[in-house]
Amino acid sequence: DTAVSQTPKYLVTQMGNDKSIKCEQNLGHDTMYWYKQDSKKFLKIMFSYNNKELIINETVPNRFSPKSPDKAHLNLHINSLELGDSAVYFCASSRDGNEKLFFGSGTQLSVL
Amino acid sequence: GNSVTQMEGPVTLSEEAFLTINCTYTATGYPSLFWYVQYPGEGLQLLLKATKADDKGSNKGFEATYRKETTSFHLEKGSVQVSDSAVYFCALTLNTGNQFYFGTGTSLTVIP
Repeated sequence: DTAVSQTPKYLVTQMGNDKSIKCEQNLGHDTMYWYKQDSKKFLKIMFSYNNKELIINETVPNRFSPKSPDKAHLNLHINSLELGDSAVYFCASSRDGNEKLFFGSGTQLSVL
Repeated sequence: GNSVTQMEGPVTLSEEAFLTINCTYTATGYPSLFWYVQYPGEGLQLLLKATKADDKGSNKGFEATYRKETTSFHLEKGSVQVSDSAVYFCALTLNTGNQFYFGTGTSLTVIP
């Protein structure tokens, strides 16, 4: 069973559209994250949730809105997509925020 | 502040060569240190970790020693293989927070 699964794996869309990426973890972890990886492989944290509560919200446009319906899920909704949003988005989880991270396999978002 | 600096890539080595990827850190507390590896098309996965000074993390022939005096956690492998071709990320986390700080990644290509 996949520990951290995110869907879709690929997402191609037009500028201005709204899209969502879903993430689920079956590890029983309390903390979940969204990271953005640009074309140079630089990894930037976007959000962190602990037990459904937002604890890290880096400087991210408010077009990005995370939603955590329960501690096993952290979805990412993006409004009014822009060209610069093209990247690979990774979901991750950890047991208590200080243990190792488990990453999903990524969602490659291409905005045309 | 907290940050991780790792050597820039890309690094290209011949099979069986010795590998060193340098990593230094700045931390406001007592960090745990990690090396993550990202194979093409996949998410990051933990390679090894060390949680206190002088600890050595090791896995799959890779090693790194937590050096508090030099604030370093260099990754080494005595004899690389083609299958080690990947991007390697140094990271730290503090016991007081839920955030991981990643380096910029170092791309390694091993040629036969």
